Amino acid sequence: AQSVTQLGSHVSVSEGALVLLRCNYSSSVPPYLFWYVQYPNQGLQLLLKYTSAATLVKGINGFEAEFKKSETSFHLTKPSAHMSDAAEYFCAVTATGFQKLVFGTGTRLLVSP
Amino acid sequence: KAGVTQTPRYLIKTRGQQVTLSCSPISGHRSVSWYQQTPGQGLQFLFEYFSETQRNKGNFPGRFSGRQFSNSRSEMNVSTLELGDSALYLCASTSGAENEQYFGPGTRLTVT
Repeated sequence: AQSVTQLGSHVSVSEGALVLLRCNYSSSVPPYLFWYVQYPNQGLQLLLKYTSAATLVKGINGFEAEFKKSETSFHLTKPSAHMSDAAEYFCAVTATGFQKLVFGTGTRLLVSP
Repeated sequence: KAGVTQTPRYLIKTRGQQVTLSCSPISGHRSVSWYQQTPGQGLQFLFEYFSETQRNKGNFPGRFSGRQFSNSRSEMNVSTLELGDSALYLCASTSGAENEQYFGPGTRLTVT
């Protein structure tokens, strides 16, 4: 079985500060890992994905994540937060060949001026 | 290229009724998955269809069903609605072999 754990249901940062959203995964097979963002009253938008190629993955809007097998982690970072980054972020895992995404509980990012 | 579209966007139903939600995937995508999002349970996988066949199913009661048509459009049906079925229902279509899923805006179902 696969699962992800997102530490911190809420993360608050100031505009311009580093964003760090934590995700740890559990998987019995090599995983595919994803970060999605959800703005109010909208669906999920894919930020980035890890599919066993490069361990440092760059995504949209300046976000990136590093796959660390030894730590079973896939934390999301952004060097400098913008007000527009305020949203809910979901980490997800799936196994090769299966379409079922297993999501974490989400982290709401709050950005203050 | 048009994204995933879902209709209707909002729906209000009464307990005991049934409802049908529709999803049109991105052109060329043959796999469609459905998810339920609630404040209490988060995002949960309902089922996945590929080439008109259900390929994977989540842990939901039989009141939840779906189907896929030859043009890859998909519908999900919930019968005998309960208050707890109130949720945002998200549809996603998949590109290629890397399981990259693209989500629609969702249908918000309210059961009163």
